[in-house]
Amino acid sequence: ELKVEQNPLFLSMQEGKNYTIYCNYSTTSDRLYWYRQDPGKSLESLFVLLSNGAVKQEGRLMASLDTKARLSTLHITAAVHDLSATYFCAVDRGGADGLTFGKGTHLIIQP
Amino acid sequence: DTGVSQNPRHKITKRGQNVTFRCDPISEHNRLYWYRQTLGQGPEFLTYFQNEAQLEKSRLLSDRFSAERPKGSFSTLEIQRTEQGDSAMYLCASSPAGFIEQYFGPGTRLTVT
Repeated sequence: ELKVEQNPLFLSMQEGKNYTIYCNYSTTSDRLYWYRQDPGKSLESLFVLLSNGAVKQEGRLMASLDTKARLSTLHITAAVHDLSATYFCAVDRGGADGLTFGKGTHLIIQP
Repeated sequence: DTGVSQNPRHKITKRGQNVTFRCDPISEHNRLYWYRQTLGQGPEFLTYFQNEAQLEKSRLLSDRFSAERPKGSFSTLEIQRTEQGDSAMYLCASSPAGFIEQYFGPGTRLTVT
């Protein structure tokens, strides 16, 4: 059974600081996704990582994938309040399976 | 392209009643997925359609849950004899053939009283 673990599950940080969210998964996969969810809202796609060593950046967020270590990271640089949300990583095994999500990291960025 | 739409957005029902949710995927997306999200958890995959064919349904939570996509366009998810534990957000996602990213709809929030 594929398991996806995120840590931390809760993070409170100050504006201007840097931090990293970690996503570990238990079986081989070359497809890793990061989503953002605001309270009461649906999921917004942030990054799709498709190969070992993939790195993608958008604004203050950067995601990377190490398929050998089965690890993805989401790095936040100089956090701002607007980045407060819950961030999910998800793994795709392909075929008819849907995505397997982690429990999410609830991020609060305080002014 | 108006995105994935879901109706209703909110549903309150009494235990034991049947409920049906609808999902309209993005036009020409032949793949459609249903997920359930409970409070404080990540979405949990339920079922998958490619066109009108339901290719994965073993992850539906019980035989009270069923889904259809009769013409390969919109889909419905039905829960029979609802229980309080069915209270959750039900999310639909779609993607086009040959493309792996899934686009999520706004969800239907079900409350069973």
